[in-house]
Amino acid sequence: EPEVTQTPSHQVTQMGQEVILRCVPISNHLYFYWYRQILGQKVEFLVSFYNNEISEKSEIFDDQFSVERPDGSNFTLKIRSTKLEDSAMYFCASRPGTSDIEQFFGPGTRLTVL
Amino acid sequence: GENVEQHPSTLSVQEGDSAVIKCTYSDSASNYFPWYKQELGKRPQLIIDIRSNVGEKKDQRIAVTLNKTAKHFSLHITETQPEDSAVYFCAASRGGSYIPTFGRGTSLIVHP
Repeated sequence: EPEVTQTPSHQVTQMGQEVILRCVPISNHLYFYWYRQILGQKVEFLVSFYNNEISEKSEIFDDQFSVERPDGSNFTLKIRSTKLEDSAMYFCASRPGTSDIEQFFGPGTRLTVL
Repeated sequence: GENVEQHPSTLSVQEGDSAVIKCTYSDSASNYFPWYKQELGKRPQLIIDIRSNVGEKKDQRIAVTLNKTAKHFSLHITETQPEDSAVYFCAASRGGSYIPTFGRGTSLIVHP
């Protein structure tokens, strides 16, 4: 069964550095999402992406964040200048299409900002 | 925006017992309610979902009920097994984006 994949599984970075988290959604899925989960807390929506543009974003997704689909398979989340509070698990998810509403989550990238 | 409350935060049961997790939501326009199971260090996985045109849905040992008037929905697990131990998240979303707002999660512990 196809799955969403994410790399790296764990990223350690210094405060102020830029990080890029990578995701490969399930082939033929049209909607893509990023979520974050601070340790021990609930999953929070960051951004959704459809038709090569952001369709919706939360208040967490400020100017420090950006997303890109550089080619036909990858979907990336960039954090320009990481802060300590960016430490979290970041999940990518994808969804087939308009009538298929189940989202499929990737395994996550644990980001640790020192 | 939508607000989802989930209770209890921790639920400890003996193997074979039933477990019930309850959630409430605030946005009356929400019409899709998925439940996710997240094992330690793993991705959230959809275990069951319900749409607003249905009051109950069952899949083997798992059932979900929805009361639209009261804006609450519940997850019922019968004959619990140790492998049911995980964190369970409820969520609510509405048509269009179907972006889920998650509850805070319930840590279910099933003792053998």
